[in-house]
Amino acid sequence: DAKTTQPPSMDCAEGRAANLPCNHSTISGNEYVYWYRQIHSQGPQYIIHGLKNNETNEMASLIITEDRKSSTLILPHATLRDTAVYYCIVDAGNNRKLIWGLGTSLAVNP
Amino acid sequence: NAGVTQTPKFQVLKTGQSMTLQCAQDMNHEYMSWYRQDPGMGLRLIHYSVGAGITDQGEVPNGYNVSRSTTEDFPLRLLSAAPSQTSVYFCASSLFIVGTGAINEQFFGPGTRLTVL
Repeated sequence: DAKTTQPPSMDCAEGRAANLPCNHSTISGNEYVYWYRQIHSQGPQYIIHGLKNNETNEMASLIITEDRKSSTLILPHATLRDTAVYYCIVDAGNNRKLIWGLGTSLAVNP
Repeated sequence: NAGVTQTPKFQVLKTGQSMTLQCAQDMNHEYMSWYRQDPGMGLRLIHYSVGAGITDQGEVPNGYNVSRSTTEDFPLRLLSAAPSQTSVYFCASSLFIVGTGAINEQFFGPGTRLTVL
């Protein structure tokens, strides 16, 4: 089963880009990478997902390395409301079981 | 759309009691799942369903049962509650990514906070 490794915490200044790394070196060829975030104890919120190509939406950009062993989530202009725990997730081999790690606690500072 | 709804929001049980956590979605999503989240931890998958009548086990299925008689509802049953099942339970639903069968964006409910004494 693919697993992910993320730094436990990061800081970012408000207005600057937040770059959150994730290692998923055991990922298989057809497994997607998903990013979610969780603010306080609320239900997680979807951010973005990707397979091989870089992806961008209104919230963030996802950069996946060519060998697919790591990826980076980019919040281009972080705000205080982006303070949350960010989870990088891959599935367990059948694209139906998502394995969540401990995530990265991002603090956006004024 | 109400999205994903969960009831109850809070529940206190005694060891050995049984109960059902309710989850419903009105988005016609094929995939539904149940997670538990312990303090300071990520989510762990309990059970999931890829459509009505089809369920499968996740990472931590022991002590829980599920059924999916309709597309909308996916109840989680605790058979005999134990203190180790004290946790926050989240239900989620999604469509599949067209052409791949992989899970698309999951929508989460607000959670049920369960305490087992």
